[in-house]
Amino acid sequence: EAGVTQFPSHSVIEKGQTVTLRCDPISGHDNLYWYRRVMGKEIKFLLHFVKESKQDESGMPNNRFLAERTGGTYSTLKVQPAELEDSGVYFCASSQIGGFGANVLTFGAGSRLTVL
Amino acid sequence: GEDVEQSLFLSVREGDSSVINCTYTDSSSTYLYWYKQEPGAGLQLLTYIFSNMDMKQDQRLTVLLNKKDKHLSLRIADTQTGDSAIYFCAEVMGTSYGKLTFGQGTILTVHP
Repeated sequence: EAGVTQFPSHSVIEKGQTVTLRCDPISGHDNLYWYRRVMGKEIKFLLHFVKESKQDESGMPNNRFLAERTGGTYSTLKVQPAELEDSGVYFCASSQIGGFGANVLTFGAGSRLTVL
Repeated sequence: GEDVEQSLFLSVREGDSSVINCTYTDSSSTYLYWYKQEPGAGLQLLTYIFSNMDMKQDQRLTVLLNKKDKHLSLRIADTQTGDSAIYFCAEVMGTSYGKLTFGQGTILTVHP
């Protein structure tokens, strides 16, 4: 079974530019999550998709961030325009749908974003 | 509010036991998790414990949960150099499906 795949692994852009991060979840996983770790701090929740619908986007920092999940498959996270404080590692995770028991998330390797 | 705290560094000798500690503030946590991150890799789930349990053992890993003190620990027996990594504890509330609150991570260094 292929894991959660993220692309690019590392992106270096200048302040004001746009970057799009992509996440391919495990096939069949309806839940898709975005998290990020900024400056060695804790990993913070950004948002949660169930299939193509945004279930919870309470962690999105501001309107410069736009997440989409076309057809309930892969997801993209666009940052436009990027600011210095957006630098960090963006993790994607997926899990199967289910309402009981531990929701076991499988994480990707992350996309490191450096804004200069 | 939600807050999960861990000590930042732990250094042990190969063969010794490692104990990584975590405290959390939200008493409504339902599941608590331990994740491991090796360099260049994603977060790997090591184990998790349901909030009504006190202990869970899985091979070299032992998780202890003290709900009264809101304290979680991960003990790694016979620590190996391959265990060197960042270890994150995380909690989730029953109403926040998949919305994990992570600690800052503990960097475990195992010396030969």
